[in-house]
Amino acid sequence: NAGVTQTPKFRVLKTGQSMTLLCAQDMNHEYMYWYRQDPGMGLRLIHYSVGEGTTAKGEVPDGYNVSRLKKQNFLLGLESAAPSQTSVYFCASHTGTRASFGPGTRLTVT
Amino acid sequence: DQQVKQNSPSLSVQEGRISILNCDYTNSMFDYFLWYKKYPAEGPTFLISISSIKDKNEDGRFTVFLNKSAKHLSLHIVPSQPGDSAVYFCAASNQGAQKLVFGQGTRLTINP
Repeated sequence: NAGVTQTPKFRVLKTGQSMTLLCAQDMNHEYMYWYRQDPGMGLRLIHYSVGEGTTAKGEVPDGYNVSRLKKQNFLLGLESAAPSQTSVYFCASHTGTRASFGPGTRLTVT
Repeated sequence: DQQVKQNSPSLSVQEGRISILNCDYTNSMFDYFLWYKKYPAEGPTFLISISSIKDKNEDGRFTVFLNKSAKHLSLHIVPSQPGDSAVYFCAASNQGAQKLVFGQGTRLTINP
């Protein structure tokens, strides 16, 4: 039981490049989330999904897109990376009450 | 619009003493509250939670208190240990909406 996994762990992008972050969970959770963590800002919700095939915007969705084609996977895409998207990205899943987080992806955009 | 606020960015406590971390919220629809602990280079891990129908929940050295009228919750750690040094995030949800909203975090340092 791996819980929540994220790939990649680290990535450096140049401004304007695109990439996809992958989140996978093996707990059969309905709900999945993408957060970004920045100093002094806590964890801010980017997008979330309440089930396979659904997505919704969180607090800071601009510049990101998501897809939930399979229940166990939640993809976060950056179409044209900007330096403001330099952050640590966390995926989480939960059902009912508590959420389980992945180990994070550290993204730097130069 | 910061719906969940942790106004103390950092807190330093002597080993063996009580650590008290505070959290305020503005949305009266929140009905479930959680505390998460985060070590560097790791994802947050669940610590303790409380439903809005309770005013206290205890788990070993950790106790969470909820004051609904003040829209305030606190996490007490007694006694504090060096391994408790981490960033603590308060989170709140409306179970109907299934979104978790986090505070900014408080960095707790336990001094020997």
